[in-house]
Amino acid sequence: AQKVTQAQTEISVVEKEDVTLDCVYETRDTTYYLFWYKQPPSGELVFLIRRNSFDEQNEISGRYSWNFQKSTSSFNFTITASQVVDSAVYFCALSEARGSYNTDKLIFGTGTRLQVFP
Amino acid sequence: DADVTQTPRNRITKTGKRIMLECSQTKGHDRMYWYRQDPGLGLRLIYYSFDVKDINKGEISDGYSVSRQAQAKFSLSLESAIPNQTALYFCATSDSIYEQFFGPGTRLTVL
Repeated sequence: AQKVTQAQTEISVVEKEDVTLDCVYETRDTTYYLFWYKQPPSGELVFLIRRNSFDEQNEISGRYSWNFQKSTSSFNFTITASQVVDSAVYFCALSEARGSYNTDKLIFGTGTRLQVFP
Repeated sequence: DADVTQTPRNRITKTGKRIMLECSQTKGHDRMYWYRQDPGLGLRLIYYSFDVKDINKGEISDGYSVSRQAQAKFSLSLESAIPNQTALYFCATSDSIYEQFFGPGTRLTVL
């Protein structure tokens, strides 16, 4: 069965610190997709990134970067020089595949609440 | 205008009442989903629909039913609401290629 684990329930940092949010997943599928979503205090879910299982290249987008390692089944998210506006709950998710057909059903981790203090 | 809308945004109801949460999308996607979010549990899938005639149960469908009235509309019903259905409910759509697009959420409280 597929599973996503975000072991860090809550992280607090001071502005400008770097912070890494961990995500470990379990799946027996060879084809799958991994996602990160941000949920700010206003409650909506904001898509951050989607990565397929065949693309292990790390990605950087401004202050955000993602490290995908199939060998350790991890898809970690780093925020560089954190800002107060980064305060949110961050969810990692896995897209379940039915054989080679991606069903797009998302399996979410329990989320990590990040608080960035000024 | 938002691509995925949910109504109502907030609802307080009493145990035993029937309640319907509605979701509409203008993205033209075939796939629609209903999730619930509980503190510390993340989001869990209730029902999903790949087209108007294809509706499937998710992880936690007990106590819920859905209706796909059209490609753009997917409603979630609680036939007899109970307090442990108090949660934040999200509707989402997908075109099966890119990310799921989530609505703003409906905060439901069952007293």
